[in-house]
Amino acid sequence: SQQGEEDPQALSIQEGENATMNCSYKTSINNLQWYRQNSGRGLVHLILIRSNEREKHSGRLRVTLDTSKKSSSLLITASRAADTASYFCATVIIIQGAQKLVFGQGTRLTINP
Amino acid sequence: DGGITQSPKYLFRKEGQNVTLSCEQNLNHDAMYWYRQDPGQGLRLIYYSQIVNDFQKGDIAEGYSVSREKKESFPLTVTSAQKNPTAFYLCASSIGPNSNQPQHFGDGTRLSIL
Repeated sequence: SQQGEEDPQALSIQEGENATMNCSYKTSINNLQWYRQNSGRGLVHLILIRSNEREKHSGRLRVTLDTSKKSSSLLITASRAADTASYFCATVIIIQGAQKLVFGQGTRLTINP
Repeated sequence: DGGITQSPKYLFRKEGQNVTLSCEQNLNHDAMYWYRQDPGQGLRLIYYSQIVNDFQKGDIAEGYSVSREKKESFPLTVTSAQKNPTAFYLCASSIGPNSNQPQHFGDGTRLSIL
């Protein structure tokens, strides 16, 4: 079953603007990861935030995690046309020693030049 | 370059036919995974393997089978029992089954029904 709910489902902004995507989940997690998927391709890992962390940065990416609200957000600053892709959050739970990723439905981001 | 190779990129299945999707990794990862992605949706876990000669069912294993005879290889067979096989199939691997490490993905196989 899919645990993550992403919001919005689609986002279209002008190049140079910031893009914010949100993810909510239902159960306790080990960590939360964000992935990017270009059309027809596999997923590329962007950033991992552990359950005891509140904020993490990587280049133009900023991820926050609020475990009390069971939510996370991904901020892409100074967007570029090349950022056009689908973005997925994945909650990570450990079951019987195995790492399981549970993906949301994704946010389709379009950056207009 | 290390990575995950999935083949073929496109695959067509006739009714009643079993087809096998290949996944090979040279990352020396212990854990491997198969996901199914339907249009506009997230990924759903089909099967996963933590070590060689061991695998477990994921959330949607019915109509699929796997094997893990070698560390590098984790092929997925879509059997005739899977009545709605049209989807994008993604293979992934991670260093170990119980680690705070990301999964690495192949570029997928798109399966369609003839």
